[in-house]
Amino acid sequence: QKEVEQNSGPLSVPEGAIASLNCTYSDRGSQSFFWYRQYSGKSPELIMSIYSNGDKEDGRFTAQLNKASQYVSLLIRDSQPSDSATYLCAVNRDGGFKTIFGAGTRLFVKA
Amino acid sequence: GAGVSQSPRYKVAKRGQDVALRCDPISGHVSLFWYQQALGQGPEFLTYFQNEAQLDKSGLPSDRFFAERPEGSVSTLKIQRTQQEDSAVYLCASSLSSGSDGELFFGEGSRLTVL
Repeated sequence: QKEVEQNSGPLSVPEGAIASLNCTYSDRGSQSFFWYRQYSGKSPELIMSIYSNGDKEDGRFTAQLNKASQYVSLLIRDSQPSDSATYLCAVNRDGGFKTIFGAGTRLFVKA
Repeated sequence: GAGVSQSPRYKVAKRGQDVALRCDPISGHVSLFWYQQALGQGPEFLTYFQNEAQLDKSGLPSDRFFAERPEGSVSTLKIQRTQQEDSAVYLCASSLSSGSDGELFFGEGSRLTVL
């Protein structure tokens, strides 16, 4: 079992819709959770971080964390074609420095 | 520079050659990471430095891979006797934090192709 699991997609949504990206992790000691966006041919960039159960909103992005279910998700509201990218879920253990990435979910937003 | 700088951006090597990839992190960043990213996959952890100390090298795939950060700033990832399976993008990332809550800032990567 991989430490961080994501559906590889592609996930295709129409412009203006809500895109929902999901991630599960295996290590119950994980304490820090991140979503990175990676455009084709580019390097990953952080878009959201979340550390406690519940929702965290930043503009059109909402990260959701459920530690009991070992589940983290990212919602993108009013999706735009410019949101088309691969979204990488990443986790860190408490006190650890090694960030473990999932394989990523490819998102396509159709104009 | 303002961001993480990596060189070379592209490297083609013949099987068996040695290569060296350089990373210049953001000034003042304590933590430095090397990741390997194969096509269609997420970044895979290779090694971690806190200042000049290599605290974790558990992700290095074999003893052909070696990394150093002698003065706690610039880092070099060296691959000896390259093999075709070493073909990937090698990403360097730095972080201001030495803890688990730090954002990683990535360089543009070095794409290695081994023929």
